[in-house]
Amino acid sequence: AQSVTQLGSHVSVSEGALVLLRCNYSSSVPPYLFWYVQYPNQGLQLLLKYTTGATLVKGINGFEAEFKKSETSFHLTKPSAHMSDAAEYFCAVTPSRGGSQGNLIFGKGTKLSVKP
Amino acid sequence: EADIYQTPRYLVIGTGKKITLECSQTMGHDKMYWYQQDPGMELHLIHYSYGVNSTEKGDLSSESTVSRIRTEHFPLTLESARPSHTSQYLCASSTYRGRAYEQYFGPGTRLTVT
Repeated sequence: AQSVTQLGSHVSVSEGALVLLRCNYSSSVPPYLFWYVQYPNQGLQLLLKYTTGATLVKGINGFEAEFKKSETSFHLTKPSAHMSDAAEYFCAVTPSRGGSQGNLIFGKGTKLSVKP
Repeated sequence: EADIYQTPRYLVIGTGKKITLECSQTMGHDKMYWYQQDPGMELHLIHYSYGVNSTEKGDLSSESTVSRIRTEHFPLTLESARPSHTSQYLCASSTYRGRAYEQYFGPGTRLTVT
């Protein structure tokens, strides 16, 4: 069964520093991959997704992620952290290639703190 | 901007009470989902629906039930609440966009059973 591993339940960076949040998936057949963000007391919001084509995907709020098949990874990055980026970030995958009717499997999340 | 609503946002209730968590969306999406979210844990899918009169249990066993009588409405019911049901419940709907289904989430209902 497909699974998602997010390394680091809590990441802390200084404002202006690089943000790197790690995500690895388990399938030998590349799934579709997503990053969601959750601000306090809110639901999840889609940041970006990878389906096919270009492996570097750009999302909202200056975030991007690179799909690396050889490493089964889909790490999320942002060159310069802003205080407003403080939130919890979830990596998610489809159970199988092609979307499987929209169901997703989520990682445990990484809470990002940004220090002034 | 996705329009998906959940009520109540917060609920504190005693053991044994029947509760219904409401979820509505105005986007006309056929697919809807209920997740359970606990701190430091994955979101667990507990129910989903691919359309009116279609409901399925998700990956995480749950004592709750759902119904889908109208496209826009997907309520979740607990017949007899227990402290083990204390959690955050997130509702979502999805639409096909750019080769994949994208899920849109409501703000959640934080349930505490005393």
